[in-house]
Amino acid sequence: EAQVTQNPRYLITVTGKKLTVTCSQNMNHEYMSWYRQDPGLGLRQIYYSMNVEVTDKGDVPEGYKVSRKEKRNFPLILESPSPNQTSLYFCASTVTSGSTSYNEQFFGPGTRLTVL
Amino acid sequence: GDSVTQMEGPVTLSEEAFLTINCTYTATGYPSLFWYVQYPGEGLQLLLKATKADDKGSNKGFEATYRKETTSFHLEKGSVQVSDSAVYFCALRQFSGGYNKLIFGAGTRLAVHP
Repeated sequence: EAQVTQNPRYLITVTGKKLTVTCSQNMNHEYMSWYRQDPGLGLRQIYYSMNVEVTDKGDVPEGYKVSRKEKRNFPLILESPSPNQTSLYFCASTVTSGSTSYNEQFFGPGTRLTVL
Repeated sequence: GDSVTQMEGPVTLSEEAFLTINCTYTATGYPSLFWYVQYPGEGLQLLLKATKADDKGSNKGFEATYRKETTSFHLEKGSVQVSDSAVYFCALRQFSGGYNKLIFGAGTRLAVHP
């Protein structure tokens, strides 16, 4: 089954404790992206990756890191989480994004993070 | 910059009622427009899309028409069901810097009661 998976689905942690949220897709997609969803703000892009070893900042990258060492995986790293990073996080992927035609983005089920 | 504005929710309806969720956008040129749906506990799924003015996207009984003159893409359904309860996001596609990017509205929560 074609899908985007995220782990964990739920996480409660404390300020300053490094954490990683994993994202994996099995569709051989080039493009992957991380979003955070906050009430009243919709989804905002954190980081994206056009392909292996190619990553770039989205609209709200502060406090986050990513890596893309393999095509299927795109982990999101919070080196020193703070309470303002409490949010619902989504990973998404698509075939490619460097084209004038649109390819549908597929979303993971989300990770709800609470930073105390 | 480009942006999407949706009506605030929650929208609460009885089963078989008519649904409208308003969406307007601000963008350079004529972007492609989308409605995504997020069912409880799940990720977003593409519901429908329209790529040019006067296009009508439709799926699962939902419809939305790309109105260039009013920069709108309102979502409608003639008769909602309890299973339609979800959060609905309007979005536009921005192609710049060599890649596609989705700009989302804030989302509108729909609750349908029997």
